Amino acid sequence: KAGVTQTPRYLIKTRGQQVTLSCSPISGHRSVSWYQQTPGQGLQFLFEYFSETQRNKGNFPGRFSGRQFSNSRSEMNVSTLELGDSALYLCASSWGGGDNEAFFGQGTRLTVV
Amino acid sequence: AQSVSQHNHHVILSEAASLELGCNYSYGGTVNLFWYVQYPGQHLQLLLKYFSGDPLVKGIKGFEAEFIKSKFSFNLRKPSVQWSDTAEYFCAVNDYKLSFGAGTTVTVRA
Repeated sequence: KAGVTQTPRYLIKTRGQQVTLSCSPISGHRSVSWYQQTPGQGLQFLFEYFSETQRNKGNFPGRFSGRQFSNSRSEMNVSTLELGDSALYLCASSWGGGDNEAFFGQGTRLTVV
Repeated sequence: AQSVSQHNHHVILSEAASLELGCNYSYGGTVNLFWYVQYPGQHLQLLLKYFSGDPLVKGIKGFEAEFIKSKFSFNLRKPSVQWSDTAEYFCAVNDYKLSFGAGTTVTVRA
C-alpha cells in the first residue's frame, strides 16, 4: 500500500514569507501528526489532527498552524518565516494516534534564507 | 509530558560487533515504547514497539529491545551488526504524542 506522501520534498523560502506543506496519509488513517527535525533540537512535536480537529499541540509559536481535510490529508502552514525555521518537517499518520504505530513520510526539507 | 533520554550520541562499531543502545524515559504511568531507525536519505521506520506483555520484544532486521519497568528503560540490542545497520536510531515514548530521544548515530565499519 502507498505510504505517507509529503510534498514538496524541498523548499527554499525567504525570511518573512509563508509556506504551506502537504501530507497525504496512508489510506484509512485518520490521525496525522507533524514534527520538526533539526540537528540541534532533534524531533519535536508540532501538532496532531484527528478527523479534521486539532487534538494535540506542541510548544511552537502561533506562526505554525495546520489543518486536516475530510479525506485526512493535512497541511501545515508557517507564516512570517524565520531563519530558525529551516528544518526537515515530518508528517506521520496512524489509525488513531495513542498507542497506534505511526508511519512517517520522507519529509519536506525547508530552507529559509 | 514524557521526556526521553538516549545515552549515546554517536556509536562506532565494526561489523559483527554487538550493539546496545540505551534509552530511559520519565515516569508517566502506562507507556507505549518504540524504536525508530532512519537510514541515510530515508524516512523514519519502526524497528520495534512495546505496548504490554513480554518485556523482551523482537523487531525487524534482528533487533530486539528489553523493557525494564523498574528502571524506566527500553534498551535496544543487536547481537551482530552489519554495515547496513549504519543509521540514526531514535527511542520514542507515546503518551498523547510521540516524544523522541535525541537520537544515536550508529556507524558500522566494514
